[in-house]
Amino acid sequence: DTGVSQDPRHKITKRGQNVTFRCDPISEHNRLYWYRQTLGQGPEFLTYFQNEAQLEKSRLLSDRFSAERPKGSFSTLEIQRTEQGDSAMYLCASSSDRHTDTQYFGPGTRLTVL
Amino acid sequence: KQEVTQIPAALSVPEGENLVLNCSFTDSAIYNLQWFRQDPGKGLTSLLLIQSSQREQTSGRLNASLDKSSGRSTLYIAASQPGDSATYLCAVRSAGTASKLTFGTGTRLQVTL
Repeated sequence: DTGVSQDPRHKITKRGQNVTFRCDPISEHNRLYWYRQTLGQGPEFLTYFQNEAQLEKSRLLSDRFSAERPKGSFSTLEIQRTEQGDSAMYLCASSSDRHTDTQYFGPGTRLTVL
Repeated sequence: KQEVTQIPAALSVPEGENLVLNCSFTDSAIYNLQWFRQDPGKGLTSLLLIQSSQREQTSGRLNASLDKSSGRSTLYIAASQPGDSATYLCAVRSAGTASKLTFGTGTRLQVTL
């Protein structure tokens, strides 16, 4: 069990560009979550997958954001036409509904939009 | 809408002291509550999870309690060490939600030598 991994760890982009982040959950965890965290705040929920199905999306997830988990394993989060307000840490977590539902977090991807 | 508040926002204590971090939530209909630790610029490390039917959980020098009816939880850290310096976050999973967590803004703890 290698834990939740995220790639890249850091991303700097110019306003208007598209970015994509990847999350690899703990193997056999069927639940996967994306959160966003800005400086000095707690993480805010973005979206949730159970296997490959996206079951919940926050209103924070505007039309420019899309997430996928095509085979129920890794997930990608894409932001189109990035804005400076998108600058944040994007955190991925996974859990198993067979256990205590403890969510295990990855190291995050820090996005800076110039 | 569930709201989670953590007090104090920041805390500085000398090494060896016992301390208590507080978390309150507005909707007592929760499924569980989880405490996390976050080091600067890093992801979150799960410390303790308390199910709604439980009153407390212990792990080493950490003890978390839950009073669901009053919407409160505390994290007790015994014999604090400089390595405990971090931000501590409380998060609740509300009943009826598809597992999403609602977080507080955290308590930034510094343990001095």
